Amino acid sequence: DIQMTQSPSFVSASVGDRVTITCRASQGISSWLAWYQQKPGKAPKVLIYAASSLQSGVPSRFSGSGSGTDFTLTISSLQPEDFATYYCQQANSFPYTFGQGTKLEIK
Amino acid sequence: QVQLQESGPGLVKPLQTLSLTCTVSDGSISGGDYYWSWIRQPPGKGLEWIGYIYYSGFTYYNPSLKSRITISVDTSKNQFSLNLSSVTAADTAVYYCARGAILGTYDYWGQGTLVTVSS
Repeated sequence: DIQMTQSPSFVSASVGDRVTITCRASQGISSWLAWYQQKPGKAPKVLIYAASSLQSGVPSRFSGSGSGTDFTLTISSLQPEDFATYYCQQANSFPYTFGQGTKLEIK
Repeated sequence: QVQLQESGPGLVKPLQTLSLTCTVSDGSISGGDYYWSWIRQPPGKGLEWIGYIYYSGFTYYNPSLKSRITISVDTSKNQFSLNLSSVTAADTAVYYCARGAILGTYDYWGQGTLVTVSS
């Protein structure tokens, strides 16, 4: 299985801050990576697919980059509704695997 | 837009079989190249991919669970189902059904259902 490792596991930030979350794959996955946002008690919601493509309806302050083994999710200017947990997921090969999550908290 | 809804018992005894059904509405299971999937999340933990079924009946299971899983589809009811046998407390989780698109992205999810394994 491909292991996905996110960093950091927790990040504390303020409204208006720029935040970057990193995801590293244990082997190359080309651009087969998605990012999800999950709020408490809710299902994950896809933000980014194919590493850098913005899902329809997702605000443009979210962006993704990377290929191979190293990927980033950037939120350019945090809004109150962005405080949540974020997961990366590799879609290069089955079984699909997720990162352990990054919890974004209000400072 | 497509909606998914999980249903099934919220409490299962150890060593019994967990059975859940996902009903798809406002979209056909048979339409398009989608992987109808199950994903679970133990309380307070991360996401674990369980497996998928294609409308034709082709399946792929997570090798870590393969010996205990069966995923089936009923296209006439627009439903797909998960059976997980010989459950233990480690199988306690919120179980989600989700639609996997051709780029491997899960674009539609059910609300999730908590299944607790306890005697």
